[in-house]
Amino acid sequence: GAGVSQSPRYKVAKRGQDVALRCDPISGHVSLFWYQQALGQGPEFLTYFQNEAQLDKSGLPSDRFFAERPEGSVSTLKIQRTQQEDSAVYLCASSSVSSGQPYYGYTFGSGTRLTVV
Amino acid sequence: AQSVSQHNHHVILSEAASLELGCNYSYGGTVNLFWYVQYPGQHLQLLLKYFSGDPLVKGIKGFEAEFIKSKFSFNLRKPSVQWSDTAEYFCAVNAQNTDKLIFGTGTRLQVFP
Repeated sequence: GAGVSQSPRYKVAKRGQDVALRCDPISGHVSLFWYQQALGQGPEFLTYFQNEAQLDKSGLPSDRFFAERPEGSVSTLKIQRTQQEDSAVYLCASSSVSSGQPYYGYTFGSGTRLTVV
Repeated sequence: AQSVSQHNHHVILSEAASLELGCNYSYGGTVNLFWYVQYPGQHLQLLLKYFSGDPLVKGIKGFEAEFIKSKFSFNLRKPSVQWSDTAEYFCAVNAQNTDKLIFGTGTRLQVFP
């Protein structure tokens, strides 16, 4: 597609519920990143894939967060047993640079706004 | 650990005023530097980037930024802002040979006609 597509745009979850957020990167983009943006803050790195390999997951805040990209294209970020502090915008970005270096900058999606009530 | 500081959280200007948004980073090694912009209701877009060479970088829409290595700074400038520049601006740094961007907390710019 022309851009990075994320779904859903908005998600309201009850505390304790599991959620799954989807990212469709630009076709052919090797690298895929997930970021979390809390209200009033800048995006914070969560995890990075190169094709289907998850090369860096150092930013995942807890073991309730899990990301996958099984076929090297679409990625899913799953949050188990959601808590109020998980409320944020979750951004996906993709890049064509195979080394993972954002040499040309990422292309970001519009994000999924998650609200945990 | 790397960090990025944006000192101006909220800037209000009239059209045609000059703009300078501060950005400082902490990292001792070689870095790549970026400014991203987020217009209301839209996704983050790359405004400009610095990797090497001329420390004065020109981006889209008349924006420019200057990398001053000795000050660990990468300030964003525009000589004359327009109402359409109203947006949130994020400075970001990437240490070479790493995969992640570290963002500042952002500066909200409001331009009044």
